[in-house]
Amino acid sequence: KAGVTQTPRYLIKTRGQQVTLSCSPISGHRSVSWYQQTPGQGLQFLFEYFSETQRNKGNFPGRFSGRQFSNSRSEMNVSTLELGDSALYLCASSLEGANYGYTFGSGTRLTVV
Amino acid sequence: AQSVTQPDIHITVSEGASLELRCNYSYGATPYLFWYVQSPGQGLQLLLKYFSGDTLVQGIKGFEAEFKRSQSSFNLRKPSVHWSDAAEYFCVSASGGSYIPTFGRGTSLIVHP
Repeated sequence: KAGVTQTPRYLIKTRGQQVTLSCSPISGHRSVSWYQQTPGQGLQFLFEYFSETQRNKGNFPGRFSGRQFSNSRSEMNVSTLELGDSALYLCASSLEGANYGYTFGSGTRLTVV
Repeated sequence: AQSVTQPDIHITVSEGASLELRCNYSYGATPYLFWYVQSPGQGLQLLLKYFSGDTLVQGIKGFEAEFKRSQSSFNLRKPSVHWSDAAEYFCVSASGGSYIPTFGRGTSLIVHP
C-alpha cells in the first residue's frame, strides 16, 4: 500500500513569506502528526490531527498552523517565515495515535533565505 | 513529564560486529516504546515496538530490543551489523493516555568496513 506522501520535497522561501506543506497519510489512518527536525533541536512535535480536529499541539508560535481534511490529508502552514524555520518537516500517520506507532513521510526540506 | 535518554550521540562499529544502542525512559507506568531509524534526508522508519508481554521484541532488518522494567531501559541490539545500517536511530516513548510521543535525541551509527 502507498506510504505517507509529503509534497513538495524541497522548498526555498524568503523571510516574511508564508508556506504550505502537504501530507497524504496511509489510507485508513486517521491520525496525522507534524514534526520539525533541526540539527540543534532534534525532533520537535508541532501538532496532531485526528478526524479533522487538532488533538494535540506542541510548543510552537501561532505562526505554525495546520488542518486536516475529511479524507485525512493534512496541511501545515507557516506564516511570516523566519530564518530559524529552516528545517526538515516530517509528517507521520497512524491508525489512532502515537501508541500504535507512526509511519513517516520522507519530509519537506524548507530553506528560508 | 516523560523523557527519553539516548546516552550515546555517536557509536562506531566495524561491519560484522554486534551492536547495542542504549535507551532509558522516564515514566511512572510502562510506556509504549519504539525504535525508529532515519537515513540521511529521509523520514523515520519503524524498526520495532513494545506494548506489553514478552520483553524481547523482534523487529525488521534483524534488530531486536529488550525491555527491562527494573532499569527503565529499552536497548536495541543487532548481532551482526551491515554497512547499510549506518543511520540515525531514535528511541521513542508514548504513554497510554497521551498521543504525543517523546523522542530521544538520537544515536548516530557509523559502520566501518
